[in-house]
Amino acid sequence: NAGVTQTPKFQVLKTGQSMTLQCAQDMNHNSMYWYRQDPGMGLRLIYYSASEGTTDKGEVPNGYNVSRLNKREFSLRLESAAPSQTSVYFCASSEHMNTEAFFGQGTRLTVV
Amino acid sequence: QKEVEQNSGPLSVPEGAIASLNCTYSDRVSQSFFWYRQYSGKSPELIMSIYSNGDKEDGRFTAQLNKASQYVSLLIRDSQPSDSATYLCAVEYGNKLVFGAGTILRVKS
Repeated sequence: NAGVTQTPKFQVLKTGQSMTLQCAQDMNHNSMYWYRQDPGMGLRLIYYSASEGTTDKGEVPNGYNVSRLNKREFSLRLESAAPSQTSVYFCASSEHMNTEAFFGQGTRLTVV
Repeated sequence: QKEVEQNSGPLSVPEGAIASLNCTYSDRVSQSFFWYRQYSGKSPELIMSIYSNGDKEDGRFTAQLNKASQYVSLLIRDSQPSDSATYLCAVEYGNKLVFGAGTILRVKS
């Protein structure tokens, strides 16, 4: 049982490049999330998907887009990476929006 | 702005002692509360969830919730060096989980 799987684990981008972070869960959860974690600031919600077919902005959505491809997969896209997007990105899923969330192993992204 | 406040620490306790971690939140209507543990370089791992006022115990961990005072706490009994980590408090706000910045716990052997 893999839980929540994110790819890649590490990535270095140049300013202006684009990339997509992939996330998949095998727990049949309805809700999925993307967070970023920066030192001293905790986890901040970028985007979430309450259920298949819906997506909504979180606390810090600027510079990002998401796609809920199906019930299992939720991807995060950076169209034009900026150094301010250097962070650790976590995908998470939960059965419903107000239940326990389970996290993937994270993607450490550096934008130079 | 919905807020979750935690003392950043570090909180240092000797091995075998009780560690007490606290969290306050700003919205009285919140119904779901969670504690996560995060080791350095790893992802957050769920420890406890609590939804009702009072105490909830699971092994060496006890979560306490007081909605009137808007705080939730985590007690770790018989603290072990392996408990050294950052503990994140998460509060549900309008179906979104908002996290505190975390408290660093160090258990000294």
